[in-house]
Amino acid sequence: KNQVEQSPQSLIILEGKNCTLQCNYTVSPFSNLRWYKQDTGRGPVSLTIMTFSENTKSNGRYTATLDADTKQSSLHITASQLSDSASYICVVSGRRSGGYNKLIFGAGTRLAVHP
Amino acid sequence: ETGVTQTPRHLVMGMTNKKSLKCEQHLGHNAMYWYKQSAKKPLELMFVYSLEERVENNSVPSRFSPECPNSSHLFLHLHTLQPEDSALYLCASSQEGYSNTGELFFGEGSRLTVL
Repeated sequence: KNQVEQSPQSLIILEGKNCTLQCNYTVSPFSNLRWYKQDTGRGPVSLTIMTFSENTKSNGRYTATLDADTKQSSLHITASQLSDSASYICVVSGRRSGGYNKLIFGAGTRLAVHP
Repeated sequence: ETGVTQTPRHLVMGMTNKKSLKCEQHLGHNAMYWYKQSAKKPLELMFVYSLEERVENNSVPSRFSPECPNSSHLFLHLHTLQPEDSALYLCASSQEGYSNTGELFFGEGSRLTVL
């Protein structure tokens, strides 16, 4: 069964600290993996997209890694800011069918950054 | 103009009401989606339109009826909903094709409450 599991479910850190969010998946075949940030009450915004040949990708203070062999990804946030408080969603794109990519969503990690 | 615009942002309706959610994308994309997001659950795909043709109907109850009059507009018609249908409804668009990653761009969502 195609699944995306994220950990931890929730996380509290102090402003300025680093943190790492985890994503494990069992989706096959694999096309790409995406990380989204979703502020409370708003739509998700894309942070990174990685194909199987990419093992690291950065977007400012966000760095995503991908290990296609172990089917694991991580999102590292450096020098956290209060505005990083949000849900972070891992999404794996599987087989292409019907003219679009099938996406499997994780339940997200809710991050709270405290001053 | 933001990329994907959803209206209304908030909607409260009774179980016997008929209402519609509207989505408009200004990105020139060829695919549009409706997702349902309930608390602490992964996003659930409801409908996909690719090139204005419905290509996915993910076992959604008939009280939800999508309409895609052109590639820029998507509607979700709501009729005799149940309280458990209360959720955040997200519209998204993407450019699909074998040379595209199919990155999703989300709207801000319509928060629906069914009394």
